[in-house]
Amino acid sequence: ETGVTQTPRHLVMGMTNKKSLKCEQHLGHNAMYWYKQSAKKPLELMFVYSLEERVENNSVPSRFSPECPNSSHLFLHLHTLQPEDSALYLCASSQDLRGGNYEQYFGPGTRLTVT
Amino acid sequence: AQKVTQAQTEISVVEKEDVTLDCVYETRDTTYYLFWYKQPPSGELVFLIRRNSFDEQNEISGRYSWNFQKSTSSFNFTITASQVVDSAVYFCALADSNYQLIWGAGTKLIIKP
Repeated sequence: ETGVTQTPRHLVMGMTNKKSLKCEQHLGHNAMYWYKQSAKKPLELMFVYSLEERVENNSVPSRFSPECPNSSHLFLHLHTLQPEDSALYLCASSQDLRGGNYEQYFGPGTRLTVT
Repeated sequence: AQKVTQAQTEISVVEKEDVTLDCVYETRDTTYYLFWYKQPPSGELVFLIRRNSFDEQNEISGRYSWNFQKSTSSFNFTITASQVVDSAVYFCALADSNYQLIWGAGTKLIIKP
């Protein structure tokens, strides 16, 4: 595997379900990110991790819970979601966090549908 | 406040035409970085270029070229001799001293055969 991988690629879940999204980066990067991409909206940064420590939590509802067990893996645990949470969830990594000097590399995304 | 504006929501051209995607940014920082990403229908955002605020040289990579002009706060992207495979949504983004990328809304580019 190369680059950034995400599983599953598609997920349909009910509002009472609990599921997890997985992201793995094979680039040796130190920073990882979760983004939400909804139709007709700009990309929304959800969480940022640097060396497995959460750096940013952009006012994301608690029904989204991130986990970063090591610098290569990032999870997004989902529970009691709402239909408006249906979106493309993108994972990204960068070599470091420093001021935009490092570009972010993205995975293919998980298309989430909440019914 | 930082802001990125991509005023063109959608552009449609016939294959082999040249096309320019506009990006205008706002920032108070003197050090900042600008990016272009491509998002094909498959969904994955593909990094195209990073440019820092101290380097105003234009960049060319094959059929792609970028025109960075600090005087007009613009970082425009031109595809020469467009191809159907260029069809995608293109995003411009800005990063300053913070690590967060400020994203434009994206321009959907349709290349018709």
